[in-house]
Amino acid sequence: DAMVIQNPRYQVTQFGKPVTLSCSQTLNHNVMYWYQQKSSQAPKLLFHYYDKDFNNEADTPDNFQSRRPNTSFCFLDIRSPGLGDAAMYLCATSRDVVTYQETQYFGPGTRLLVL
Amino acid sequence: AQTVTQSQPEMSVQEAETVTLSCTYDTSESDYYLFWYKQPPSRQMILVIRQEAYKQQNATENRFSVNFQKAAKSFSLKISDSQLGDAAMYFCALLPPSGSRLTFGEGTQLTVNP
Repeated sequence: DAMVIQNPRYQVTQFGKPVTLSCSQTLNHNVMYWYQQKSSQAPKLLFHYYDKDFNNEADTPDNFQSRRPNTSFCFLDIRSPGLGDAAMYLCATSRDVVTYQETQYFGPGTRLLVL
Repeated sequence: AQTVTQSQPEMSVQEAETVTLSCTYDTSESDYYLFWYKQPPSRQMILVIRQEAYKQQNATENRFSVNFQKAAKSFSLKISDSQLGDAAMYFCALLPPSGSRLTFGEGTQLTVNP
């Protein structure tokens, strides 16, 4: 089945130690998104890629970076994780349409714990 | 700016009964998409149903249906014959035509009682 895969499902890191979260998709979608979801809150969009074009949300901290080496993979890098970055990180994809009017499909998420 | 409001933080329903989750939104756009997503305890966000604003007919998906009132900017979700597996956090979300940002409501935690 076509799907959105996130690895690992759980990630523990130390305060200030860089960490990378991974997302891959078999849907062949051109748009990939990263969301941060804290406990009992709605997901918050961090950034997205439309093909190779990176689109950052205005309020996303500089501590968060992303890479998309090819259509299938997208990475979220947290350069210096703080305690406040502990959250669930959700990856989503949507099909390539000009106006972005398409359903977003989510992966299972990676829960990040910062010690 | 667009907003999505879910005024019911928690709802409960007896198994096999019907429950309606409320959602209101605000946008200046005339065309947009609305979604209901379900997030069970496993935390994977799953699409339940979607509605295109230009369609007057309410979307249905098996036991799930919506009541879309464009003028009132209301988009409620009805779950019929509730099952234990329906227990989850439900998010209402709005996608405008002018961007990729999916705006979520605060969520409604649905409990299904056996």
